[in-house]
Amino acid sequence: KAGVTQTPRYLIKTRGQQVTLSCSPISGHRSVSWYQQTPGQGLQFLFEYFSETQRNKGNFPGRFSGRQFSNSRSEMNVSTLELGDSALYLCASTDKKASGGADTQYFGPGTRLTVL
Amino acid sequence: AQSVTQLGSHVSVSEGALVLLRCNYSSSVPPYLFWYVQYPNQGLQLLLKYTTGATLVKGINGFEAEFKKSETSFHLTKPSAHMSDAAEYFCAVRPGGATNKLIFGTGTLLAVQP
Repeated sequence: KAGVTQTPRYLIKTRGQQVTLSCSPISGHRSVSWYQQTPGQGLQFLFEYFSETQRNKGNFPGRFSGRQFSNSRSEMNVSTLELGDSALYLCASTDKKASGGADTQYFGPGTRLTVL
Repeated sequence: AQSVTQLGSHVSVSEGALVLLRCNYSSSVPPYLFWYVQYPNQGLQLLLKYTTGATLVKGINGFEAEFKKSETSFHLTKPSAHMSDAAEYFCAVRPGGATNKLIFGTGTLLAVQP
């Protein structure tokens, strides 16, 4: 099976712009989670989707949003970009179980966003 | 609330030496614990995970970890370091409930000296 894919891999934007990142999970996986990784804050959970429904959301401002489509692909959007949004954004997919537990999260390579 | 503490942001070992990366967790419910590795410019790869049952967990690339409830620890070890083990390692805990969310530690950067 193909792994989790994320597009684009690298992105440069300027302050005030908006950006959309895409994630395609492993075939058959219905749960997708997003994380932000920065040198200062480390890995922080953004949100989680299961079967097109947001199941959990991290402590991020409303400028960060996401959605999941019927084919389980997910997008996240950041509006009104700030310098501090520069980060590696990681997407992870999990197998079909809805109850969480010990299912493994498989991570994509990430999208490196630079805000100038 | 669950949390994870990784002691030592940087660890340096010689090739062939023991690798020990420390992780302590805080959880009000029996935890699911994970170790991930991240190589430069890549995503995270699962090394191993603890769910229930056997407290000594074996993972990929010769790594293992022991769950010690009394010490709330889940330290990662490898008997003999290889140059290819140089990477950043993250310990993570999954909260209870219907979620796949992971709470990560701050990471430990492992350097392997020849």
